Amino acid sequence: AQRVTQPEKLLSVFKGAPVELKCNYSYSGSPELFWYVQYSRQRLQLLLRHISRESIKGFTADLNKGETSFHLKKPFAQEEDSAMYYCALGRTGRRALTFGSGTRLQVQP
Amino acid sequence: NAGVTQTPKFQVLKTGQSMTLQCAQDMNHEYMSWYRQDPGMGLRLIHYSVGAGITDQGEVPNGYNVSRSTTEDFPLRLLSAAPSQTSVYFCASRSGAKAFFGQGTRLTVV
Repeated sequence: AQRVTQPEKLLSVFKGAPVELKCNYSYSGSPELFWYVQYSRQRLQLLLRHISRESIKGFTADLNKGETSFHLKKPFAQEEDSAMYYCALGRTGRRALTFGSGTRLQVQP
Repeated sequence: NAGVTQTPKFQVLKTGQSMTLQCAQDMNHEYMSWYRQDPGMGLRLIHYSVGAGITDQGEVPNGYNVSRSTTEDFPLRLLSAAPSQTSVYFCASRSGAKAFFGQGTRLTVV
């Protein structure tokens, strides 16, 4: 069965510090991995996906199939990065996404 | 272009009442889904649809019904509300790799 694990419920860092939000998945096929973000009072929105290998708002994430991980990283956190972050897994041939439990990132001034 | 629109934003129900959460999208997406968001549990898939006239169950379908008579609309019905259904409900539509979410409905069952 497919599963997404985000081990940290809360991650608190100071502005300018590096950030790493952890995500591990279990899936026997070829996965599609995503990071979604939910800012306060806003709807959930796509932050980035592993296929595009892009950097959005300074965030990057690399798919490590050996470790089955897709950690989200940013070298210097900003206060506006404070939000709830969800890692999500998409499966080949099926469009349903499986979400992790989410990590709340708090960036303190 | 409104994207995905959910109504209502807030709702309080008494145990045993029924209601329908509305979801509409104007992007002509075939795939739509309903999730519930609970603290510490992330988003869990309730029901989904791959096109008009086609629906299927997700992880937590009990107590909910859906229908998809048009591409645009995907309502979620609570048949007999229970306190365990207190949650925030999100509707999403998807095209390709990207999913678009509604703003959510906060439902409280007392």
